[in-house]
Amino acid sequence: TQLLEQSPQFLSIQEGENLTVYCNSSSVFSSLQWYRQEPGEGPVLLVTVVTGGEVKKLKRLTFQFGDARKDSSLHITAAQTGDTGLYLCAGDPTGNQFYFGTGTSLTVIP
Amino acid sequence: EAGVTQSPTHLIKTRGQQVTLRCSPISGHTSVYWYQQALGLGLQFLLWYDEGEERNRGNFPPRFSGRQFPNYSSELNVNALELEDSALYLCASSLNRNNEQFFGPGTRLTVL
Repeated sequence: TQLLEQSPQFLSIQEGENLTVYCNSSSVFSSLQWYRQEPGEGPVLLVTVVTGGEVKKLKRLTFQFGDARKDSSLHITAAQTGDTGLYLCAGDPTGNQFYFGTGTSLTVIP
Repeated sequence: EAGVTQSPTHLIKTRGQQVTLRCSPISGHTSVYWYQQALGLGLQFLLWYDEGEERNRGNFPPRFSGRQFPNYSSELNVNALELEDSALYLCASSLNRNNEQFFGPGTRLTVL
């Protein structure tokens, strides 16, 4: 059983479309992080959300932390081919171990 | 500022052999984490070192081990390699246990 479940697992969309990726857990997190990983490379940190209900924007990417700090979402507006990659949420609910989500593999078709 | 570095970038071994992977954290970072990422799968936590001590380990057999040196660099050792150990091994560092993790490019291990 994964502590952080992401959905969808795979997503293939046309350039210019919008999409939302979800990260859900039954545990409470003091913060959640979102990473993007390209093939053959390590994940790159996109954002950290800390406060319940917080919304952070990074250009066309909007990140939201749930009020109860158990879930988060990533919304991409007008997707571009450069957004293609594996999106991972991650957090440490216990202070002892960092957990990564199951991942969402996004393919943006030109 | 240099990021997290890992060596080697690629490695091919045969079943039963032993391998050592290396990681240098970002300067000033004291925590080092190791993860295994099998092809197409998410990251599985292996080990966490902080200030030279092993703080936690994931659900992996004892043939996965490592250490952290006084300069905070780290090694991951895998003994008696099995085919299913083939994966991308990622190292990350953070300023301390509560901070964001920054990843290296990984070492791609192939076991034949």
